[in-house]
Amino acid sequence: QVQLVQSGAEVKKPGSSVKVSCKASGGSFSSYTLSWVRQAPGQGLEWLGRIIPMFGTTDYAPKFQGRVRLTADESTSTGYMELTSPRSDDTGVYYCARGNSGYEFSFDYWGQGTLVTVSS
Amino acid sequence: DIQMTQSPSSLSASVGDRVTITCQASQDIRNDLNWYQQKPGKAPKLLIYDASNLKTGVPSRFSGGGSGTDFTFTISNLQPEDIATYYCQQYQNLPVTFGGGTKVESK
Repeated sequence: QVQLVQSGAEVKKPGSSVKVSCKASGGSFSSYTLSWVRQAPGQGLEWLGRIIPMFGTTDYAPKFQGRVRLTADESTSTGYMELTSPRSDDTGVYYCARGNSGYEFSFDYWGQGTLVTVSS
Repeated sequence: DIQMTQSPSSLSASVGDRVTITCQASQDIRNDLNWYQQKPGKAPKLLIYDASNLKTGVPSRFSGGGSGTDFTFTISNLQPEDIATYYCQQYQNLPVTFGGGTKVESK
């Protein structure tokens, strides 16, 4: 079955950068899209952007354009989310989520989440 | 961005109750709406896609309806395992946006 396994928790200082990975197994990585969603402590869900691994094309939420970079390595079925110059309000759990063919934004499989803490 | 307004933000209900959550979009999104369930410390789980289609394996007590700007999500016979937070999500326009969530608690 499909699984998305994310890298472990990170603690970062403001102004550094953080990179989270999401390794897919059990499906055809290149056939789907990979979105990233974050959740601040006690808050709701926020979409950061998505990548189509087969083409490397990306779309970003305007709020994160220029601060978030999504990449994917088809050879290892792994997606990456890099957040540059994080601030304290970027603290939260970051999820990768798979979009199905024809339903790119209906997220049927999710990673377990990666807690990113930004603190000086 | 399309704003998704969910109500109520929380509710208390008993086992066996019928629970209804509403979601209103700031503009017409046709039926490009999903519903997710999230339990504490867990990733969200897709329950309904395209406003009213039940994902395979999801119990039939969950249902969704609506189109355009007004949508509903119903649990017809609340079970203990349904205690969670529920989110609507539109995908008609990028960026994808979520409602603020409805926390369903046990009365």
